[in-house]
Amino acid sequence: DVKVTQSSRYLVKRTGEKVFLECVQDMDHENMFWYRQDPGLGLRLIYFSYDVKMKEKGDIPEGYSVSREKKERFSLILESASTNQTSMYLCASREAGGPYNEQFFGPGTRLTVL
Amino acid sequence: GENVEQHPSTLSVQEGDSAVIKCTYSDSASNYFPWYKQELGKRPQLIIDIRSNVGEKKDQRIAVTLNKTAKHFSLHITETQPEDSAVYFCAASRESGGYNKLIFGAGTRLAVHP
Repeated sequence: DVKVTQSSRYLVKRTGEKVFLECVQDMDHENMFWYRQDPGLGLRLIYFSYDVKMKEKGDIPEGYSVSREKKERFSLILESASTNQTSMYLCASREAGGPYNEQFFGPGTRLTVL
Repeated sequence: GENVEQHPSTLSVQEGDSAVIKCTYSDSASNYFPWYKQELGKRPQLIIDIRSNVGEKKDQRIAVTLNKTAKHFSLHITETQPEDSAVYFCAASRESGGYNKLIFGAGTRLAVHP
């Protein structure tokens, strides 16, 4: 059974703080993704990584960066948190090899920026 | 840019009725269409998917249909039960820069009333 875990379920930060969201998967998946989920907007891709030390911008990368130093871990970084980054953040992982492999999600981190 | 439109945003049915959620996509090269179910407070989970070379797929009470010409696909749930209450997301896979990414619809909140 694939397990994708995220470091926190709830997080409250102040404007301007640097925020780290961690995601770990235990199935040796090559591909990992970070999404944010907002009501009425669905899941929007922030960044993704297809292998260790590799990263690609998604559809809404502004204000975020990522790090993938180890295969199992994909970190999302908010360099200077702002109130419009208050959201639910979902990590996902997928085995490499084409579009048909199932994408598995973590439980999400609800971030509030005050 | 590429997008997936999903309708309706909310759907309320009586237990035992059928529910239909519709999505349209813009990238004619999309070749994979998964549906995810997200129960309240939980992570999205894949419930059914369809590839572009198939017109219909069924799994017990749920089915998905795909019309490639019209670029739309639908989720059908028959004999709905209260446990079907959740937010449902459609998605379409698109290739960008040699990588495959999922583009999600905005979601449909389904409420099944006993």
